[in-house]
Amino acid sequence: DIVMTQTPLSSPVTLGQPASISCRSSQSLVHSDGNTYLSWLQQRPGQPPRLLIYKISDRFSGVPDRFSGSGAGTDFTLKISRVEAEDVAVYYCMQSTQFPLTFGGGTKVEIK
Amino acid sequence: QVQVVESGGGVVQPGRSLRLSCATSGFTFDRYAMHWVRQSPGKGLEGVATISHDGNDKYYAESVKGRFTISRDNSKDTLYLQMNTLRDEDTAVYYCAKGTGADFWGQGTLVTVSS
Repeated sequence: DIVMTQTPLSSPVTLGQPASISCRSSQSLVHSDGNTYLSWLQQRPGQPPRLLIYKISDRFSGVPDRFSGSGAGTDFTLKISRVEAEDVAVYYCMQSTQFPLTFGGGTKVEIK
Repeated sequence: QVQVVESGGGVVQPGRSLRLSCATSGFTFDRYAMHWVRQSPGKGLEGVATISHDGNDKYYAESVKGRFTISRDNSKDTLYLQMNTLRDEDTAVYYCAKGTGADFWGQGTLVTVSS
């Protein structure tokens, strides 16, 4: 299975300031169809995960534009341009290039 | 709107079996792959099993291979997970997720394996 590694484990951020999370995969996530199936999920306390970003940089329906994704191959980044109180959550990267799905260990974004 | 609702969780003794269901609505079920993902208490996410849209292809995490079976009934828009020979470490919230990219998730159902 593809191993996903996320950093940092925790990210204390001041409201209105940016946050950045990195994710690295143990092998290239480029699918034979040419797409790279790297997604970012948000899990607020007591809630199920919610899809934010898919195929590296496409925002899912209803996701605010302060969330953005970038990267290629095996290295990917999620950025929050200006953190709001509702962004307090654990964020996971996920690959769906191969099955079963595999996930990074999670990054907790909290307010300083 | 898309809905996925898991059921069938509960408390079960080690070595016993349990069957989870995931009822769906709001999308054309037989066009989408589906996943089971679990989350142990206070831990991260683990992909358990994936099934193709037509049920012909199935994929499992090493930790459950040979014990769990994923299946679907496209006439009922429902996904299943048969879990046999359960272990303490299978204790988790089990989520059902829609589509190759897991774009919609249910609220989950808690499975507790304990004697």
